[in-house]
Amino acid sequence: AQKVTQTQTSISVMEKTTVTMDCVYETQDSSYFLFWYKQTASGEIVFLIRQDSYKKENATVGHYSLNFQKPKSSIGLIITATQIEDSAVYFCAMREGRANSAGNKLTFGIGTRVLVRP
Amino acid sequence: GPKVLQIPSHQIIDMGQMVTLNCDPVSNHLYFYWYKQILGQQMEFLVNFYNGKVMEKSKLFKDQFSVERPDGSYFTLKIQPTALEDSAVYFCASSLTGHTGQLYFGEGSKLTVL
Repeated sequence: AQKVTQTQTSISVMEKTTVTMDCVYETQDSSYFLFWYKQTASGEIVFLIRQDSYKKENATVGHYSLNFQKPKSSIGLIITATQIEDSAVYFCAMREGRANSAGNKLTFGIGTRVLVRP
Repeated sequence: GPKVLQIPSHQIIDMGQMVTLNCDPVSNHLYFYWYKQILGQQMEFLVNFYNGKVMEKSKLFKDQFSVERPDGSYFTLKIQPTALEDSAVYFCASSLTGHTGQLYFGEGSKLTVL
């Protein structure tokens, strides 16, 4: 069974600095997809970024980037030049790449709360 | 960006009663989902729905749970009868495709069963 683990409960950083969040996963599949989502204080959950397991390059979107270390089953999220509005809970998630999988059944981590201080 | 709307945002009911949670997914999306989040825990997959049918469900999707989307209206999650352990926030999501993992989530329906 797949499992996603986020060990950092909360992180506090100063505005305009870089924050890094850890995530490790377990899967039996050779092909899978990894994601980060953000949940704001209002409850809104927003997709941020995705890494396909077969891609060696780390995904980057805006000021979000990933540190994909496949041998360690690790997919860290890096946010550079943080802003106050980056304060949120960040969830790591995984989708196995089974050919007969009918939809986006994601396994989520428990989340890391990030507080960006002015 | 595209929005998924959930109604109600909060619901308090007595154990044994029926509850229906409503979701208005993104208009051109084809896949629909329900996830359950108990306070302090991760979101867990309940069910996905495509082309009028349940495609996959987890062990959390008990026999008392059902989903439907009659004629393109709300995508609903019905629990009948409810149990205390059904208290949670239920998130609806939708996606255009079934494999990219890019889900659009609603803001959740908090269900409290007394």
